[in-house]
Amino acid sequence: QVQLQESGPGLVKPSGTLSLTCAVSGGSISSSNWWSWVRQPPGMGLEWIGEIYHSGSTSYNPSLKSRVTISVDKSKNQFSLKLSSVTAADTAVYYCASRLAVAGTLRAFDIWGQGTMVTVSS
Amino acid sequence: QSVLTQPPSVSGAPGQRVTISCTGSSSNIGAGYDVHWYQQLPGTAPKVLIYGNSNRPSGVPDRFSGSKSGTSASLAITGLQAEDEADYYCQSYDSSLSGRAVVFGGGTKLTVL
Repeated sequence: QVQLQESGPGLVKPSGTLSLTCAVSGGSISSSNWWSWVRQPPGMGLEWIGEIYHSGSTSYNPSLKSRVTISVDKSKNQFSLKLSSVTAADTAVYYCASRLAVAGTLRAFDIWGQGTMVTVSS
Repeated sequence: QSVLTQPPSVSGAPGQRVTISCTGSSSNIGAGYDVHWYQQLPGTAPKVLIYGNSNRPSGVPDRFSGSKSGTSASLAITGLQAEDEADYYCQSYDSSLSGRAVVFGGGTKLTVL
């Protein structure tokens, strides 16, 4: 059973870069899954940030695309998020999540990490 | 503003039936993309409740059901229980000039009276 675990700094300074990692256990990051990042500002709804396939193919939220980079590290069985030029509006719980890649369908996110709170503040 | 529109809140008494709507457009739900529903209990990660418009993962009670028609989808909960009090989100995909993106509804808070 695949499990996901987020890690990274809980506090980032404004204009800095937010960096998070999601460790994949119980399975291989090279399996047929899309690996995603989703965030949730305090008291607000879910926002998809972007996702990556083990081949390196990526897809990003158009509203964040200019600031986001998602990468995969097969040797460590993990994937990462970098969000640049952060402001207080980027304060949120950041989740990593995964969905199966099945030809002809766009599946639900059936695996989620527990989430990690990131605060942008000086 | 979310691409998918949900009512901010719904409520019902124990044992009653409630529905939560999810309204999209021709570039997402109306384009034929599946709709998925998630339940988020306070302080926890979302959990898949309904996938592929109307399918329940194992372990989800049959009190929960989903449907889709045109540019909208709905989640119905029958026999409301106190443990159903949570936030519910619909999710689909959207195709635009920028490509295909995952989109969520704004979420609906269910209160069990």
